[in-house]
Order: sequence, then structure tokens, then C-alpha cells
Amino acid sequence: DTGVSQDPRHKITKRGQNVTFRCDPISEHNRLYWYRQTLGQGPEFLTYFQNEAQLEKSRLLSDRFSAERPKGSFSTLEIQRTEQGDSAMYLCASSLAYKPEQYFGPGTRLTVT
Amino acid sequence: EDQVTQSPEALRLQEGESSSLNCSYTVSGLRGLFWYRQDPGKGPEFLFTLYSAGEEKEKERLKATLTKKESFLHITAPKPEDSATYLCAVQAFFDDGGANNLFFGTGTRLTVIP
Repeated sequence: DTGVSQDPRHKITKRGQNVTFRCDPISEHNRLYWYRQTLGQGPEFLTYFQNEAQLEKSRLLSDRFSAERPKGSFSTLEIQRTEQGDSAMYLCASSLAYKPEQYFGPGTRLTVT
Repeated sequence: EDQVTQSPEALRLQEGESSSLNCSYTVSGLRGLFWYRQDPGKGPEFLFTLYSAGEEKEKERLKATLTKKESFLHITAPKPEDSATYLCAVQAFFDDGGANNLFFGTGTRLTVIP
């Protein structure tokens, strides 16, 4: 049983650098979601894809953030010119289009110094 | 605007001491209410989906219930391994009938003491 995987699990970067995270969803899931979670808070929605199409973006997703899912399988989330406020856990989830349950990966913890 | 409020923020129980966690929600049209468990440093683990008032779901020592305004997660005779943060989330219907992201509460941090 292969669940959602994310890489890397931890990333430490200096302010102003670019970072990219990868998410591999459950193989038959055609919906993929990105969330961000800070300490003591619940996950907050960033964006989601159905197959390769990015269908919704949150207001939280500034111009420095970009996400792709080029072949409808894995997805990448890039943050350009990182800021200290970007420090958080970035979570990926996937689901089937006709079922609401979302299954989360282990997350990528980003620390911006 | 969708809102999810969880209480209490933190709960300490003795092993075997049953209790309930509360999730109050406001959503324009509820497609589903979800409970997740999250261990420190890990992603949320799916527990239950509830769709309509009166529905109940059970899994081991956990039982989730739903009314039109709130959901409860009942923990019966908890064990130390039940210690975790329990997150509640709602998913709303959009006008076109689609439903997308989850809207989470801040969670209840449960500690079960041996």
C-alpha cells in the first residue's frame, strides 16, 4: 500500500533562495492538493489540481509560489525568494475526483533562516 | 464564510478516562465533515467522514457523531497511544456542485497519561 509521498522531508534554506518540493500522490488519485500548516494551526489550503489542470488557488498563494502537475501524476511546489514567514510544514494530499476523502503525505518542513 | 472551532485546545486524560472532543462548524452547504489524527511532525491521518446530521462512525475506541452545527469525537477508555492532535475539517459544496478543499480547525491536542 503506497500512500502519498513527499520529498524532501526537511529543507533549511536562507532567505531569498528558491526551493522546490515534490509530491507523489496515491497512484489512482486524480486530484492533488497542497496545504500549508504552521505551528498550532490546522492545515490551510493553497491550491489543487485535477489531473494536470490547476483548478483553484487560495489567496494565500502569493506570486512567489507556483505549482505544477505536468503529466497529471507527481506535482511540484516552488517558492521563489523565500521569506522567513514561509517557514511551515507543506502538506500534499490526494483524492479520487468522486470521493471527498483526502489522504495526506508526511509533509515537507521548511525552515527559512 | 466557513468556520470551524474546536474545543478544548488541549485535553489531558488518565488512561481509561473517557471524554469527548467538540467541533463546531459554520458552512454554507456541507458536503462532508472529516476527522483526522495528526502525530507530531507527521501529516494528518484520515479517520472518519460524516455527511449528514444523525450519522455516526466508529473505529476502535473512537466514535464520531454529527449534528447540524457540531460534531463530537468520543474517545472511550483511551490508551497512551491515542495521544495526538485531532483535527476537524469541513468541505463545502460549490454552486456548481463541486467540492474541493478542506477547511480545518486548529485541533485538540490530546494527551493520555498511563
